[in-house]
Amino acid sequence: AQSVTQPDARVTVSEGASLQLRCKYSYSGTPYLFWYVQYQRQGLQLLLKYYSGDPVVQGVNGFEAEFSKSDSSFHLRKASVHWSDSAVYFCAASINTGNYKYVFGAGTRLKVIA
Amino acid sequence: NAGVIQTPRHKVTGKGQEATLWCEPISGHSAVFWYRQTIVQGLEFLTYFRNQAPIDDSGMPKERFSAQMPNQSHSTLKIQSTQPQDSAVYLCASSLGSQNTLYFGAGTRLSVL
Repeated sequence: AQSVTQPDARVTVSEGASLQLRCKYSYSGTPYLFWYVQYQRQGLQLLLKYYSGDPVVQGVNGFEAEFSKSDSSFHLRKASVHWSDSAVYFCAASINTGNYKYVFGAGTRLKVIA
Repeated sequence: NAGVIQTPRHKVTGKGQEATLWCEPISGHSAVFWYRQTIVQGLEFLTYFRNQAPIDDSGMPKERFSAQMPNQSHSTLKIQSTQPQDSAVYLCASSLGSQNTLYFGAGTRLSVL
């Protein structure tokens, strides 16, 4: 079955520190991959997406993610976090064969402390 | 572009009452999705419209939930005889096509007392 796994439910980092949020997918073939962020009491917003090509994709606010086919992963990274990055981050996937169903991970709640 | 608009932002109903949630997708977007979000289950797919036509409602609880898209500018999710377990945030999203970026509304928080 198609699935997206975010193994870390909660992550706490200090402001200015680097960040990696993990995402593993299980799909036959290569899916379209997304990272979304949800700030408190708001809907999800797209950070970045991967369809094909360069495995490192840049997103908004200094975020980037790296696709690895061998590892079935799409980890999100940021070199230096800010307190305003505190939010819930969702990894999502969609098969690129006309299937419209996006599969979302359970989310990782990021807390940035001073 | 105001984004996806959902109303109301918060709805409180008594057990057994009906709740109707509204979604206005981004103009020009052909795909509209409804999701339910809870702490326990996370994001659950409910239903999907393309060009106003219902394509897949496999995520909808069969007996009390229904969704419509009478025109390209709005969709509704109706829950009859609401139960406490229906309490959740209901998110509407739209996209240009089925594999494009989803644009989410802020959600409607439904509280069933």
